[in-house]
Amino acid sequence: DQQVKQNSPSLSVQEGRISILNCDYTNSMFDYFLWYKKYPAEGPTFLISISSIKDKNEDGRFTVFLNKSAKHLSLHIVPSQPGDSAVYFCAAAMGSGGYQKVTFGTGTKLQVIP
Amino acid sequence: DVKVTQSSRYLVKRTGEKVFLECVQDMDHENMFWYRQDPGLGLRLIYFSYDVKMKEKGDIPEGYSVSREKKERFSLILESASTNQTSMYLCASSLLTGRNTEAFFGQGTRLTVV
Repeated sequence: DQQVKQNSPSLSVQEGRISILNCDYTNSMFDYFLWYKKYPAEGPTFLISISSIKDKNEDGRFTVFLNKSAKHLSLHIVPSQPGDSAVYFCAAAMGSGGYQKVTFGTGTKLQVIP
Repeated sequence: DVKVTQSSRYLVKRTGEKVFLECVQDMDHENMFWYRQDPGLGLRLIYFSYDVKMKEKGDIPEGYSVSREKKERFSLILESASTNQTSMYLCASSLLTGRNTEAFFGQGTRLTVV
């Protein structure tokens, strides 16, 4: 049972335009969400996160939106650059204390076309 | 910078062999994790450890074991490798203290079992 879903396996966007990557989750116990970016032959790197008490978090060109009622989050990249071409994983976490159980989505491969 | 280093980038092993994947982190992180990444399935947690000699099963522990004898090192062991364990294996670490801390990943080990 996939609790975190990224329904678009791939996305192509022109350079300079907005990229919107979507993620849906099913477990209402998730209270923290993260996005990771992965280049081929490298490990994922943390990009941006959001707590469930917020609905938006912005960091430079990257903004994450959270709609708790719809159990949906999205990552916006504006403007998109060719270097943004990578696989993006959405992740959702629950739990308190030292360790949170983190569940990853299946990933969306973004291609930014120059 | 946090560095998580996996001992091998590529491995080819035969069915039935015992396989060791090694991971070392240099930031004194308490938590360490092993994931596998497969197309269409995202990252799935195999095992994690929150302290030396402590380990917890993740979502797909069958066929694997782990060892954490020192804080900086976390080993994944395939007791008897099978072809369905051909995958990309990713090690990660994170801080124990506080919530909502992101994980730092190694570069991955591409394991092929023939």
